[in-house]
Amino acid sequence: QKEVEQNSGPLSVPEGAIASLNCTYSDRGSQSFFWYRQYSGKSPELIMSIYSNGDKEDGRFTAQLNKASQYVSLLIRDSQPSDSATYLCAVTMYSGGGADGLTFGKGTHLIIQP
Amino acid sequence: ETGVTQTPRHLVMGMTNKKSLKCEQHLGHNAMYWYKQSAKKPLELMFVYSLEERVENNSVPSRFSPECPNSSHLFLHLHTLQPEDSALYLCASSQGITGVSDGEQYFGPGTRLTVT
Repeated sequence: QKEVEQNSGPLSVPEGAIASLNCTYSDRGSQSFFWYRQYSGKSPELIMSIYSNGDKEDGRFTAQLNKASQYVSLLIRDSQPSDSATYLCAVTMYSGGGADGLTFGKGTHLIIQP
Repeated sequence: ETGVTQTPRHLVMGMTNKKSLKCEQHLGHNAMYWYKQSAKKPLELMFVYSLEERVENNSVPSRFSPECPNSSHLFLHLHTLQPEDSALYLCASSQGITGVSDGEQYFGPGTRLTVT
């Protein structure tokens, strides 16, 4: 049984600070890792993907992967009130694509306080 | 139209009704997915289609019947549903060719289904 664990929160962060979101996964064979943002009443929106150990930066977002520890994280720098949402961690077995369903965590509810 | 579209956006149906959900992707992808999102539970994978062939059925009850007539369209046929099937049903697509794509999946807006 593949599992993805996230702290449900809410995680409250002051505006302008760094928000740190964490995720662990059970299947050591997982190869591809994704972060989605979901606003209330909306569908998930892909914000980051990461495939190899280390950091990947895209604007204010940094994804970090440690396969040995089976740990993925998302850092949001200079947090804005518009970043308030639920952040979903998702993993899949495939590397290099392929049609494989994603296994999701329950998500972390992030609140950015003005 | 751009991205992934789904219709209807909201659906209320009785337990004896038959209805269908439609998904269309305008991204040139060749893999499509159905997911279910219920309150307090993680997004659950239901079905995976690659090049119009079903490659995964995640132990979904037979009252849910998928159909993929081509790589751009995906349907979910519903019949004799139960109240616990009330949820947000999400369609996604990806470029599903191993070694070519990055596996990123893009979601449609979803259909909010209520079974009475």
